[in-house]
Amino acid sequence: QKEVEQDPGPLSVPEGAIVSLNCTYSNSAFQYFMWYRQYSRKGPELLMYTYSSGNKEDGRFTAQVDKSSKYISLFIRDSQPSDSATYLCAMSPYNFNKFYFGSGTKLNVKP
Amino acid sequence: DTEVTQTPKHLVMGMTNKKSLKCEQHMGHRAMYWYKQKAKKPPELMFVYSYEKLSINESVPSRFSPECPNSSLLNLHLHALQPEDSALYLCASAHKTRPDNSPPHFGNGTRLTVT
Repeated sequence: QKEVEQDPGPLSVPEGAIVSLNCTYSNSAFQYFMWYRQYSRKGPELLMYTYSSGNKEDGRFTAQVDKSSKYISLFIRDSQPSDSATYLCAMSPYNFNKFYFGSGTKLNVKP
Repeated sequence: DTEVTQTPKHLVMGMTNKKSLKCEQHMGHRAMYWYKQKAKKPPELMFVYSYEKLSINESVPSRFSPECPNSSLLNLHLHALQPEDSALYLCASAHKTRPDNSPPHFGNGTRLTVT
C-alpha cells in the first residue's frame, strides 16, 4: 500500500466550477500537509500547507485536513482556465526532512 | 519565476560525460533538496542537506554526487549516467529553524537527457 493515495484524474470542469481534490494516507504520524501546483515543464509551486487537523483558506483555495479519517482535500472556488495544472498533495511526519507525495491529479478547467 | 534558481534549464549529455547541475537560493533557507521527476510521476527524493551537511541519501547510485559548498548553493555532479536517468531534476529549499519551519520551495528544474 502506498503511503499517500491520490486519484490521477484527469479531472475536467467548466470555468467557474468548484473543484474538489483529495488524498488519503495511511501513516498516522503525518503532521504537515501540503498542496503543490505544477504547470507543464515547471517545478511544483507551494499553494498551501497546514499543520495537523483543520481548515485553512487563502483566496479561492481552501485546504482541509481530517486526521481521524486520514483524508485531506483542496477546494478551488470559481475555477479559472489558469488553474489547469497538476495538483500534488504531500505529507511529512516532522520538520520537512522527508515528505511523501501523492501521484498528482491533472485538472483541466474549460473556458 | 521562483526564488530557487536552477541552471542549466536543459542539458543533453552522453553516457561518458561529466556535468554538474547548479541550484542557488538567497532566502536564508538551511535545508536544500534534490529531487528527480519522471514524466507524469511525482517528484522522488534523492538527497537532503541540512545546515550544509548531507542528512538523507535515498540510496542514490554513486554516479550522482551532491555537494553543498555553502548555505546558498547546491550542486549535483553527474558522471557515467544511463539513458534511464533522463528526467527533470528539481532543487528545493526550506527553512529549518522553528518557528519558521516551512515546506520546501522548488525551482523550475533542469531537464536532463542522457544519450
